Amino acid sequence: DAGVIQSPRHEVTEMGQEVTLRCKPISGHNSLFWYRQTMMRGLELLIYFNNNVPIDDSGMPEDRFSAKMPNASFSTLKIQPSEPRDSAVYFCASSADRGPADTQYFGPGTRLTVL
Amino acid sequence: GEDVEQSLFLSVREGDSSVINCTYTDSSSTYLYWYKQEPGAGLQLLTYIFSNMDMKQDQRLTVLLNKKDKHLSLRIADTQTGDSAIYFCAESPYSGSARQLTFGSGTQLTVLP
Repeated sequence: DAGVIQSPRHEVTEMGQEVTLRCKPISGHNSLFWYRQTMMRGLELLIYFNNNVPIDDSGMPEDRFSAKMPNASFSTLKIQPSEPRDSAVYFCASSADRGPADTQYFGPGTRLTVL
Repeated sequence: GEDVEQSLFLSVREGDSSVINCTYTDSSSTYLYWYKQEPGAGLQLLTYIFSNMDMKQDQRLTVLLNKKDKHLSLRIADTQTGDSAIYFCAESPYSGSARQLTFGSGTQLTVLP
């Protein structure tokens, strides 16, 4: 199994630009999570999907952030326009949610730097 | 709401045992997890324990759960330099369909030669 795949691994952009982060969950997993990690705030859950439907987006910081999951094998997190305070590592995780060991499996993350 | 707390830093000598502690507040927590994050990588599941268990052992790892005090610990025996990482405690409630996790802030473990 390839695990959760995220792209790009690193993104450097200028303030005001649109940023799109991509995630491919583990095949067969029905839940997908987007997290943001910073030194100041730790690991924050932004949004999660179950069977491609957004269930809880209360962690999305502002309207500048949006997430989609058009099918079971792909999700995007978009920031438009980006700001320097959005600089962080963004993780995608997926879960099969079938039993106690079916916890979340994390991708390697995308390190975003907004100048 | 739920809250999970951990100390931020721990240093140990190579070969010694490490004990990382965690406290949580949600009495309905059903599963408790330990994740490891190495530099530049995502979180990796190490082990988990069901709330009706007191202890779980997995090779060098021992998880102890004191449900009355809502205290969880991870003991790493014979700590190696490769164990240097950030360790996150996480809890999951009984309800919830997507295994929502509440994470602690993470404990940075440094193993000194």
